[in-house]
Amino acid sequence: AQKITQTQPGMFVQEKEAVTLDCTYDTSDPSYGLFWYKQPSSGEMIFLIYQGSYDQQNATEGRYSLNFQKARKSANLVISASQLGDSAMYFCAMRGSFYQGGKLIFGQGTELSVKP
Amino acid sequence: DGGITQSPKYLFRKEGQNVTLSCEQNLNHDAMYWYRQDPGQGLRLIYYSQIVNDFQKGDIAEGYSVSREKKESFPLTVTSAQKNPTAFYLCASNTRGNRTDTQYFGPGTRLTVL
Repeated sequence: AQKITQTQPGMFVQEKEAVTLDCTYDTSDPSYGLFWYKQPSSGEMIFLIYQGSYDQQNATEGRYSLNFQKARKSANLVISASQLGDSAMYFCAMRGSFYQGGKLIFGQGTELSVKP
Repeated sequence: DGGITQSPKYLFRKEGQNVTLSCEQNLNHDAMYWYRQDPGQGLRLIYYSQIVNDFQKGDIAEGYSVSREKKESFPLTVTSAQKNPTAFYLCASNTRGNRTDTQYFGPGTRLTVL
């Protein structure tokens, strides 16, 4: 069975500093995708970044980068130069093969608080 | 603007009542999904549909029903059989559900049972 684990219920970071949010996953499927979403207090899930299991390079999107270590089955999100607006819940998610309906399996989330 | 709309934003239900949550998308996506989120928790899949007139149960389908009569619409009915329906409900869609397809979400409906 596929599983996502986020072991940090809450994190604090000083404004303008970098922060790493941890995510480990478990799957026997050789083909999978990993996603990170941000959920502000309004509730909407905002897509941040994607990493495919066959991608050779770590994904980057602006201030977001993904530290993908396939052998360790980890896909940590790195946010550089934190801003106050980054305060939110962050969810790591995994998608398996198309034949599983394309559903996403989510972790429990990490609540990030950015301090001025 | 393309996107996913959900209505209503807040919904109050009396015990024993069925209620229907609306989800519409104009992204021309084939697949649509309903997730439930409880406080402090991740999202759990209720139902999904990869094509019109077809849908599949997710991990927590008991007490819920759906229909997919149009590509753009995927309404969710919370029936009286759902024992603890108070939660935040999120609708999502993507093109086909391949490994690389990004799944986009609507703004959510917060359901409270009185």
